[in-house]
Amino acid sequence: EVQLLESGGGLVQPGGSLRLSCAASGFTFSIYTMNWVRQAPGKGLEWVSGIKGSDSSTYYADSVKGRFTISRDNSRNTLYLQMNSLRAEDTAVYYCAKDRWMDYWGQGTLVTVSS
Amino acid sequence: DIVMTQSPDSLAVSLGERATINCKSSQSVLYSSNNKNYLAWYQQKPGQSPKLLIYWASTRESGVPDRFSGSGSGTDFTLTISSLQAADVAVYYCQQYYSNSYTFGQGTKLEIK
Repeated sequence: EVQLLESGGGLVQPGGSLRLSCAASGFTFSIYTMNWVRQAPGKGLEWVSGIKGSDSSTYYADSVKGRFTISRDNSRNTLYLQMNSLRAEDTAVYYCAKDRWMDYWGQGTLVTVSS
Repeated sequence: DIVMTQSPDSLAVSLGERATINCKSSQSVLYSSNNKNYLAWYQQKPGQSPKLLIYWASTRESGVPDRFSGSGSGTDFTLTISSLQAADVAVYYCQQYYSNSYTFGQGTKLEIK
């Protein structure tokens, strides 16, 4: 059974940093593109970042480029999102999702950026 | 970036009736070398994570009821629910994976009339 379990969310002040993790199981993690998608309170889905399984190429939405870094550890079946210079508008539930068409999603972790 | 625009923003349909949601991309998401449309549809119910319904524009994900169908090509796509059930009340999103920077539509809220 495929499982994705996010962790690392919480309350952080503007300008602060946070690292999210997504522990994956039930599939061959190393060969799949993995994504972070966020959803601000009461809003729609926004793709944040993706990382390919084949060569670990990384891609970012313009809204987070230069502030967020996606990475993966295939030996630990874990996806990460390092978030720096956080802003109030980064407040959202952050989901990890498997593959280009996102066939599996985690339950999400809430990030709140507030003073 | 490819901009995805859904219509309508909200929709109320009677039980048993057909529901149709449209999605338009700012550029074609049809890859000519394999003739595939890089377009997916998702359902999100309140308090839940999104669920994949359709990929390659018209391929139904395993376990998705056959009342859900996807159609279209190039820049214009449609999600159709043939006979609306109470369990289908949700927000529906389209998403393109043609470019390496994926994008979602703004969502369509489906309610019972």
